Amino acid sequence: KAGVTQTPRYLIKTRGQQVTLSCSPISGHRSVSWYQQTPGQGLQFLFEYFSETQRNKGNFPGRFSGRQFSNSRSEMNVSTLELGDSALYLCASSLAARGEQFFGPGTRLTVL
Amino acid sequence: TQLLEQSPQFLSIQEGENLTVYCNSSSVFSSLQWYRQEPGEGPVLLVTVVTGGEVKKLKRLTFQFGDARKDSSLHITAAQPGDTGLYLCAGANYGQNFVFGPGTRLSVLP
Repeated sequence: KAGVTQTPRYLIKTRGQQVTLSCSPISGHRSVSWYQQTPGQGLQFLFEYFSETQRNKGNFPGRFSGRQFSNSRSEMNVSTLELGDSALYLCASSLAARGEQFFGPGTRLTVL
Repeated sequence: TQLLEQSPQFLSIQEGENLTVYCNSSSVFSSLQWYRQEPGEGPVLLVTVVTGGEVKKLKRLTFQFGDARKDSSLHITAAQPGDTGLYLCAGANYGQNFVFGPGTRLSVLP
């Protein structure tokens, strides 16, 4: 069974731009969660989607948004990028909402 | 807000030594997971514990969930260089999202 895939793996953007990251969960998994990982803050929860509905949202500004499609694939979008948005963005899929999570390799975003 | 603390923050040991890392909280969790993460990669799930007092063994790794479900430990016997990585614990509670600890960075020297 294929694991969680994330694209792109690396991304370089400049301040003020926007970015869209993609996540394909493990086949059959309906829940997708997104996390931001930085050296200073560790892994911080962004949001969780289950069956195309946002179930939970972390404490991030409205510039961070996401969605989930009918095939469970998910995207997250960050608008008006700031230097502090540089991080590893991780996607995790699970069979059910808040079930065991399996992570993808992440997208390394660098904002210049 | 539920918080998880991990100790030690850093650990550097020689191959063959034993070690224990800890994950503590003042909150009760319905389940707790341990992950290992290598540089540039996503965390890999090692184990999930759900019952207070539960002990799970995975080859040389032993995981324990505290009786009160507020803390957990990971013990590695005869550490190997391949055990090097960032060890993260994550707690979940009913209806709420996972909370991650800051991690223990382990380095096993040959």
